[in-house]
Parts: sequence; C-alpha cells; structure tokens
Amino acid sequence: AQSVTQLDSQVPVFEEAPVELRCNYSSSVSVYLFWYVQYPNQGLQLLLKYLSGSTLVKGINGFEAEFNKSQTSFHLRKPSVHISDTAEYFCAVRGSNYQLIWGAGTKLIIKP
Amino acid sequence: ETGVTQTPRHLVMGMTNKKSLKCEQHLGHNAMYWYKQSAKKPLELMFVYSLEERVENNSVPSRFSPECPNSSHLFLHLHTLQPEDSALYLCASSQDDGVGYTFGSGTRLTVV
Repeated sequence: AQSVTQLDSQVPVFEEAPVELRCNYSSSVSVYLFWYVQYPNQGLQLLLKYLSGSTLVKGINGFEAEFNKSQTSFHLRKPSVHISDTAEYFCAVRGSNYQLIWGAGTKLIIKP
Repeated sequence: ETGVTQTPRHLVMGMTNKKSLKCEQHLGHNAMYWYKQSAKKPLELMFVYSLEERVENNSVPSRFSPECPNSSHLFLHLHTLQPEDSALYLCASSQDDGVGYTFGSGTRLTVV
C-alpha cells in the first residue's frame, strides 16, 4: 500500500534563510509525486509535481524538489524564504487507484 | 480563481438545518472529490466521483449526501449535522488519471 510521511509538523525558519521540508513515500507502483501549498483560509494549490524524467523538479514561487528513488524521498527546498511563504505544505503520491495519498502536512513558519 | 469554484465560502448552520455545498469546474476534468479538513487532522477524503459515478465513499456518515448531476458540478447535501462536523470542506477535480488535482477555495462550515 502507498503512504506518505512528512517528518515535521512545523518548520520555523528565519526570513531569507533556506528551508527544506521533508517527505518520504512508499509505493509499489509507478511513482508520481506532488507538493501542494495551502495559504491561510484557502484551498490547496499545486506547487510542483514529478511524473518522470529529471529528478530535480522546479515549481512555482522559487520552490524545487528532488526525487530520490533509493531513499524514497521527495524533499521540498527553497534557497531563501519570504514572509509570504508562510503556509502549510502537503506532499502526496498517486495511489494505485489513481487517487492521491496525502501526508499530514508541514506548517512553514517564517520568523522575521 | 483556480478553475474550481465553491459556494458558499462560509456557512453557519444549526444542527437541525439542511444546507448544500456547491462545487463547479469547467476544466474538462472527469473526476471530482470532496475532502474534509479539520484542525490538527490530516486531509480526509470523503467522496470520489469519476465520470459522474460515485467510486468511493470513505465511511462517511449518512448525514452527508453527495450528488454529481454532471461532470462539471458536485454537491454535498448536509442535514442534522453535529458540532464536530465543523471544518473546511474542499472540493477538487482532476482527470481520472489522478495527475494534478485542482482545488477550490473551500467552504468553512460551522455547526452550532
């Protein structure tokens, strides 16, 4: 069965510092991976996705993620965060029934 | 505007009321989803419709009743809800290959 683990429920980081949000998955089928962002009082928005090809995926708002098959990870990174990046970030993997399996989310807290 | 529109954005209802949440998409997607998002809990998939047929119902109480009259519209009918049903209800759509969901902004439901 597929599953997604987001290792940190909250990540505090200073403004303009780099950040990494961790995601590990388990999947017995072809791996399609996603990161979504949820700003306060809004729905989820797709940040980036890995379907195939290059393992380094670039997304919106300066975020990128690297697919690592041997470590079954898909960590999200940004070299310099801004106060506007304050949000909750969700990692997901496509399941065998084509529905998304979600992680529990990581709240990114930007400290001024 | 994400392409998936949910109405209303906010709803306060008493436990004896009947109300409906509406979701509309014109992205040409053929799968639609209802999710419940409660504070400090993971995203909960409630219902999945593919090609207007319900394909999943994750043990949701019968006081929640979905309806999908066509591929562009999805409703969630609510009756005799409980205070613990207060949450953000999110609608999403995708192609039935599950690659890339588009979410609405959600309906914030408060049951009093």
